[in-house]
Amino acid sequence: QSALTQPASVSGSPGQSITISCTGTSSDVGGYAYVSWYQQYPGKAPKLIMYHIDYRPSGVSTRFSGSKSGNSASLTISGLQAEDEADYYCSSYSRTVNYVFGTGTKVTVL
Amino acid sequence: QVQLVQSGAEVKKPGASVKISCKASGHTFTNLFLHWVRQAPGQGLEWMAILKLSPGDIDYAQRFEGRVTVTRDTSTSTVYMEVSGLKTDDSAVYFCAGSPGWYSFDYWGQGTLVTVSS
Repeated sequence: QSALTQPASVSGSPGQSITISCTGTSSDVGGYAYVSWYQQYPGKAPKLIMYHIDYRPSGVSTRFSGSKSGNSASLTISGLQAEDEADYYCSSYSRTVNYVFGTGTKVTVL
Repeated sequence: QVQLVQSGAEVKKPGASVKISCKASGHTFTNLFLHWVRQAPGQGLEWMAILKLSPGDIDYAQRFEGRVTVTRDTSTSTVYMEVSGLKTDDSAVYFCAGSPGWYSFDYWGQGTLVTVSS
C-alpha cells in the first residue's frame, strides 16, 4: 500500500482560496469517513486541522474546510494568509494497512 | 489537554537498537490510542504502529513487523518503541501521536531525532 497521492505543491496569493487533493482507493479514502488533515511547519510536529473529512478541531480557523468524493478527499483554505504557508498531509484509515498518510503538499503564499 | 513528551535525540550505529519513550499527561492513559509515526529528512509521514485501548493490543505496519516493538508502562503513562537492526535509512524524526478515538492523530509529541551512522 503506497501513500495517498497529493500534489507536491500548491500556491496562491493572500486572500485567495486553494484546494489540496488527496487521492486513495476504495480500501481507504473511498471506503471510510476517517480522512484527516495535518498542518506541519518546518521542524515542528504536525497539527490536526481536520478529521472525519470535514470536522474542525476546536481552535482551528474556519478558513479550513474539508470534503470527500469517491476515492478523493480535499482540503480547502479560504482567504489564504501568510501563516498558512506550511506542509499539509492527509491521512486515512485503511482496510489493508491500518493507516496511510498522503505524500504531502507544500503550500506557498505568493 | 493531552500532552505527549518524548525522550531526547539518539545517535546509533547500524545494527544497533534504539528505544524511544513518550509520556502522556492530561488524559487517562489507558483511554488513549497511541501511535508511532516517523518522518525521514525531507520526506513525508509514515505510520508505524498503534497501541490500542485496554487491554493494549498492538498493530504494526507490515514493513516494521518483527523489527519494531511497542510496549507501555501504565504506572507512568509512558509508551515505548524499540527499533532493532537499525539501518542508515532509519534515520528520521520519530513522533508519538495520541487520540481518544482511533480515526485520527489528535495530539503529537515533539518528536525524537534518531540518527543512524557508522
